[in-house]
Amino acid sequence: ETGVTQTPRHLVMGMTNKKSLKCEQHLGHNAMYWYKQSAKKPLELMFVYNFKEQTENNSVPSRFSPECPNSSHLFLHLHTLQPEDSALYLCASSRVAGGQETQYFGPGTRLLVL
Amino acid sequence: AQSVTQPDIHITVSEGASLELRCNYSYGATPYLFWYVQSPGQGLQLLLKYFSGDTLVQGIKGFEAEFKRSQSSFNLRKPSVHWSDAAEYFCAGRSNDYKLSFGAGTTVTVRA
Repeated sequence: ETGVTQTPRHLVMGMTNKKSLKCEQHLGHNAMYWYKQSAKKPLELMFVYNFKEQTENNSVPSRFSPECPNSSHLFLHLHTLQPEDSALYLCASSRVAGGQETQYFGPGTRLLVL
Repeated sequence: AQSVTQPDIHITVSEGASLELRCNYSYGATPYLFWYVQSPGQGLQLLLKYFSGDTLVQGIKGFEAEFKRSQSSFNLRKPSVHWSDAAEYFCAGRSNDYKLSFGAGTTVTVRA
């Protein structure tokens, strides 16, 4: 599927690095999401953007900083991360449609923090 | 709390045999329910969804799921599995807001 793309697919960074994850959706959706998927844990919703406005910040540490410049692009800026932040970061998008909306996911960025 | 639960962490099934994955939900009203599949190193792919209407929902890859209000369940089934069905399967639910609640996932192993 190419509806939601994420780059890079893999990232290794040190704890003092600054990096960014990029997500792009080609589905004409108006809501975008960041999820964290750690081993042996359920998916955790991190951030939600609805019509470019952040509507959810699920108690995420400030070392994660999202940016949504338009309804097609979503970034996750990373700085001074910890080893426990190593995980698969998934982006998703949906069309807000009075309840009957479906989230479509990208392939994820596998992040390793050393 | 509103949630979905997948009781089975791991299921092993022989190729060609039938598969059923369990999902239970806990919502005050009828939720919107989804099944996603995740192959190793990949994102989540939508298999099927239930919003309302016919309680038996057909999805991609030969999967179907049945919504049973009396049992608060939305189990996923496939009559004959293929080796390519080996993956992790997630049930998810949502009420009228946008927040999806995911189960812990069920890993399916297919043996020859």
